[in-house]
Amino acid sequence: DGGITQSPKYLFRKEGQNVTLSCEQNLNHDAMYWYRQDPGQGLRLIYYSQIVNDFQKGDIAEGYSVSREKKESFPLTVTSAQKNPTAFYLCASTPGGRGGANVLTFGAGSRLTVL
Amino acid sequence: GDSVTQMEGPVTLSEEAFLTINCTYTATGYPSLFWYVQYPGEGLQLLLKATKADDKGSNKGFEATYRKETTSFHLEKGSVQVSDSAVYFCALSDTGAQKLVFGQGTRLTINP
Repeated sequence: DGGITQSPKYLFRKEGQNVTLSCEQNLNHDAMYWYRQDPGQGLRLIYYSQIVNDFQKGDIAEGYSVSREKKESFPLTVTSAQKNPTAFYLCASTPGGRGGANVLTFGAGSRLTVL
Repeated sequence: GDSVTQMEGPVTLSEEAFLTINCTYTATGYPSLFWYVQYPGEGLQLLLKATKADDKGSNKGFEATYRKETTSFHLEKGSVQVSDSAVYFCALSDTGAQKLVFGQGTRLTINP
């Protein structure tokens, strides 16, 4: 079945450590996204990529980095510069293009806790 | 910029009650509007969508009508079930945009 796989589901990190969250999709989608979810704040866009080897900052990119070397993969690194990294992280994808009406397919999420 | 405002939660109802979750938006163009649902411990799933004014999206007994005059997209269901307990997100995508803007989410709990 086609879908988005995020790993790990739960991750614990000590302060000052970088961590990388994996996102893989087999939907042949061009566009991929990373959102952060905090209680009562909805979803906020961190980074997105519309095509391989290209990505753009979202609303809260500071302290995060991404790469898009392959169409199916869009890993997110939470760096030590991110001051409040404890959150639920959601990866999503969409076919892309102007006519897609942006129906996103989401992964199951990764919960990061900083100790 | 574009924004979405949802009614504050949490919302608690009894089974078979009528549900309304309000959603209003601000956008510069002609957005598409969406409702997504998130069940506990999972990612979001598309519930319904509408792409132009007066369109009605519907799925699983839920409905929402795109009202341009009131910039609203309220979610309704005539008779809720315990299995409808989840967090509901309203979202928009403006004309030509490649990203969605989400509301803050409304947590719904249905008691038997």
